[in-house]
Amino acid sequence: DAKTTQPPSMDCAEGRAANLPCNHSTISGNEYVYWYRQIHSQGPQYIIHGLKNNETNEMASLIITEDRKSSTLILPHATLRDTAVYYCIPISYGNKLVFGAGTILRVKS
Amino acid sequence: NAGVMQNPRHLVRRRGQEARLRCSPMKGHSHVYWYRQLPEEGLKFMVYLQKENIIDESGMPKERFSAEFPKEGPSILRIQQVVRGDSAAYFCASSPPVRGISGANVLTFGAGSRLTVL
Repeated sequence: DAKTTQPPSMDCAEGRAANLPCNHSTISGNEYVYWYRQIHSQGPQYIIHGLKNNETNEMASLIITEDRKSSTLILPHATLRDTAVYYCIPISYGNKLVFGAGTILRVKS
Repeated sequence: NAGVMQNPRHLVRRRGQEARLRCSPMKGHSHVYWYRQLPEEGLKFMVYLQKENIIDESGMPKERFSAEFPKEGPSILRIQQVVRGDSAAYFCASSPPVRGISGANVLTFGAGSRLTVL
């Protein structure tokens, strides 16, 4: 699976958009980009995934660059409850999820 | 529609005792995964099971740890002769039978079982 680089931490003001970047320059053609998050002490939560097209669901939007070497998770209106560790995980079919260090997002009022 | 149920939520054991952690997957889910999170560390994959089969146990310690997912009943993660280093949060996740490549890695996690070894 591809290696990822995410900033260790980010701050975001409540109500503003949170943009979380992820570099996955070694991603292979059959790897999807999955995003999960873990709110303190809770089980991880699936957010969104995509292959090469931008995706949007009720939680977030995922922007994947045309060369697929990086992506950005966007939380359009961050709330205090979005404070969590966010994981970007490129993965191909049938492989297990491997969690890296992720980005600690702190949403502040 | 209950999510992934794990029990016990908290378990205290003395060194040398056995710990059994149970995981009931979501209804209709036939794949179960176990992850471990040591204090202040990241999530580490342990094992992936389907009904009555271990698919990938590459993350399981070679000794004292075992997992099963019987035809009937919950998945069980068993730790024999626990040591203080086994103190951690153990998370179970489940996924449905694969319906397509895209959604193959959408896992639903439980709230975790926190093991403390005295």
